[in-house]
Amino acid sequence: GQNIDQPTEMTATEGAIVQINCTYQTSGFNGLFWYQQHAGEAPTFLSYNVLDGLEEKGRFSSFLSRSKGYSYLLLKELQMKDSASYLCAVLGRGNTNAGKSTFGDGTTLTVKP
Amino acid sequence: DVKVTQSSRYLVKRTGEKVFLECVQDMDHENMFWYRQDPGLGLRLIYFSYDVKMKEKGDIPEGYSVSREKKERFSLILESASTNQTSMYLCASSREPGQLGGELFFGEGSRLTVL
Repeated sequence: GQNIDQPTEMTATEGAIVQINCTYQTSGFNGLFWYQQHAGEAPTFLSYNVLDGLEEKGRFSSFLSRSKGYSYLLLKELQMKDSASYLCAVLGRGNTNAGKSTFGDGTTLTVKP
Repeated sequence: DVKVTQSSRYLVKRTGEKVFLECVQDMDHENMFWYRQDPGLGLRLIYFSYDVKMKEKGDIPEGYSVSREKKERFSLILESASTNQTSMYLCASSREPGQLGGELFFGEGSRLTVL
């Protein structure tokens, strides 16, 4: 099966940098996604990592270490609109998990002035 | 602009009623998914489909069924609604998973309350 852990809540200050961690244990791995979900809205795609290393996309970066079962999402120059829930999702592979994205419970980030 | 459309944003049903949740995508995606989202439990996969008339059970299929008669449409059916099925239901679609661009595109969600 899949098990994904991320912190429940984080708070940071506008303009600062915040790192949201995600650890996973999986029987098959085909990539890791990060999604952003504002309250009352649907999740939207932020990033995808399938190989080890850092993927940068503007103010957001995502890192993956497959050997450690670890990823993080890094948000720079925080803005008030970044207050949202951030979801880590592992894309499975193999007989039982192929094609399935399994989500962590999400990290609610609050950005304060 | 790509779009996943769910038929109802809010529904209130009574215990024992049959409930249909409809989802349509206009991106010609092969893959479609139904999730439910509950506080403290995150997003949990109910069913998914790789192709027309194909379906696969997710992690919590009990009490649900699905139908995919056309590529663009994926329906979730609650044969006999129960109060523990009160939840936010999210439909999603994707291109081939495991490739760049295989991310999920979500509909706006259907909030179902079962009384």
